[in-house]
Amino acid sequence: GAVVSQHPSRVICKSGTSVKIECRSLDFQATTMFWYRQFPKQSLMLMATSNEGSKATYEQGVEKDKFLINHASLTLSTLTVTSAHPEDSSFYICSASERGGFNEQFFGPGTRLTVL
Amino acid sequence: LAKTTQPISMDSYEGQEVNITCSHNNIATNDYITWYQQFPSQGPRFIIQGYKTKVTNEVASLFIPADRKSSTLSLPRVSLSDTAVYYCLVGDIGDNNDMRFGAGTRLTVKP
Repeated sequence: GAVVSQHPSRVICKSGTSVKIECRSLDFQATTMFWYRQFPKQSLMLMATSNEGSKATYEQGVEKDKFLINHASLTLSTLTVTSAHPEDSSFYICSASERGGFNEQFFGPGTRLTVL
Repeated sequence: LAKTTQPISMDSYEGQEVNITCSHNNIATNDYITWYQQFPSQGPRFIIQGYKTKVTNEVASLFIPADRKSSTLSLPRVSLSDTAVYYCLVGDIGDNNDMRFGAGTRLTVKP
């Protein structure tokens, strides 16, 4: 089956620093990647949708200058949380859909970000 | 955007069949219905997907009525390890990239 990885799985950083999270599709080409954020005991909140080679489409209320998304290739998308603050602490999950594939998202294992 | 509505929580016992229904009154013609399972601190895991009628795989069945305004995920003979949050997602990745999750259903399976 299609596999999506995320790195790192867990990160702790100081307030004000930037953190980059990588999302990779390991055995397929991902036309589209999605980034979600999930707070404890809540549902996944879609942050942005990115298509390879084009700018990401951000959901309303998500600051594009704070959450930088780069989808430079068909197998890699990155989310950079710039100048992170404690309220950015959350579980970040990416997913990818396959080029020409069935209408399905494949999810990564998630990245737990803790900002001190 | 096809908004989804599910029960917030459900309880069941080991060995029982569990049916979770999702309402999606505004489903569009090209939308598919996909169900995911999520354990704490993990990414969602695909369970089943359908467009209409009934779909069955090795872990679940998905029932979709003719009007497609709802769908029911059926889990046969649940076990303790099926305790998780279940989400139904309605959309078309290829069309509008509209993949927003609803609140999900927290299923608790008791011994």
